[in-house]
Amino acid sequence: DQQVKQNSPSLSVQEGRISILNCDYTNSMFDYFLWYKKYPAEGPTFLISISSIKDKNEDGRFTVFLNKSAKHLSLHIVPSQPGDSAVYFCAARRNTGKLIFGQGTTLQVKP
Amino acid sequence: DTAVSQTPKYLVTQMGNDKSIKCEQNLGHDTMYWYKQDSKKFLKIMFSYNNKELIINETVPNRFSPKSPDKAHLNLHINSLELGDSAVYFCASSQDRREIQREISDTQYFGPGTRLTVL
Repeated sequence: DQQVKQNSPSLSVQEGRISILNCDYTNSMFDYFLWYKKYPAEGPTFLISISSIKDKNEDGRFTVFLNKSAKHLSLHIVPSQPGDSAVYFCAARRNTGKLIFGQGTTLQVKP
Repeated sequence: DTAVSQTPKYLVTQMGNDKSIKCEQNLGHDTMYWYKQDSKKFLKIMFSYNNKELIINETVPNRFSPKSPDKAHLNLHINSLELGDSAVYFCASSQDRREIQREISDTQYFGPGTRLTVL
């Protein structure tokens, strides 16, 4: 029973264009959502987050959108750069601090 | 300076052996975690300690025992290793979310991972 799902295992985008990574969740009690980025042989690093009381949070080239009615969030990267190539994990939590992760989407940004 | 470090980075061992993975954080965080990333790439929490006290204990075989000698360390001991234990294990830490504003709580900082291979 996977409560957080990233249905696209991979995404390929041209440098300078927009990358959109999607994440769906099933538990309406989640109140905080995060995106992590992971390079090979390294641990995930925190990228951006959003609480359930907001529908958008922006940090430089990265914007996270939350659609609670659809139980969907997305990460937009504009403009995409080759250094953004990594695995992106969506995560959600419900009060307790325990994070539930999706299985990740591998983003490749082509020069 | 490495914020969250794990040793060893790679661990290859035989079935039935007992092994330990060490984790240290120098961020001054109160909470530490162990995650397992399985072959399907899902990151699943195993344990969480806050100020050396166990606060999250998922359904994990009791062959896995976390030990927290102090706030900055959370080691993972695994007894009688099995083939299915092969995975990448990540340690993480975070600030006690009761002390800081909700918007920036629960940011977990991860170590580089330990790839465990059981033969």
